[in-house]
Amino acid sequence: GNSVTQMEGPVTLSEEAFLTINCTYTATGYPSLFWYVQYPGEGLQLLLKATKADDKGSNKGFEATYRKETTSFHLEKGSVQVSDSAVYFCALSDRGGSSNTGKLIFGQGTTLQVKP
Amino acid sequence: NAGVTQTPKFRVLKTGQSMTLLCAQDMNHEYMYWYRQDPGMGLRLIHYSVGEGTTAKGEVPDGYNVSRLKKQNFLLGLESAAPSQTSVYFCASSSLRGRGPDTQYFGPGTRLTVL
Repeated sequence: GNSVTQMEGPVTLSEEAFLTINCTYTATGYPSLFWYVQYPGEGLQLLLKATKADDKGSNKGFEATYRKETTSFHLEKGSVQVSDSAVYFCALSDRGGSSNTGKLIFGQGTTLQVKP
Repeated sequence: NAGVTQTPKFRVLKTGQSMTLLCAQDMNHEYMYWYRQDPGMGLRLIHYSVGEGTTAKGEVPDGYNVSRLKKQNFLLGLESAAPSQTSVYFCASSSLRGRGPDTQYFGPGTRLTVL
């Protein structure tokens, strides 16, 4: 079945450091890929998404490219801030077949802590 | 717009008690979902609905029931709570776009503890 694997955390970085959070997936068909962010005590917010191979999603300085050949969707940011401290979830939505329900399959989440 | 709201925010139950979690959305979305979040396991889908009056099972439906009597509301019920149902519960909704659902929007969550 479909699945998402993220790098384990926590990830601890100093402010202005470069961030990469790895995400790989297993899926049949052509899923859409997402990164969601969860700030402490809050629900999930969509950070960025990509719906087809080679698409690049970007938002708030974060980027991720849909790589079909490596089944990956790694999240990157060139210079992190303390305010980026949160839990980041990679997810996929299977758009294939006749029953397109939009169900999301999540990775286990990666905690990012940015120190001043 | 309030977006997706959930009530209650916190609840403590004893084993065997029942309760209903309410999710409401004011965005006229067709699709609604209930997830649970457990440490180290991400979010897992419990039940979902593709429209008013319809419901379907997700990945972990055992011990839960749902109803979607009104388009804007999606109720999650626990008939006889168990400690294994201690978790944070998130509701989400999405609109219909093209052949299927669009991006999901999440509520703030309900933290449930079963003693």
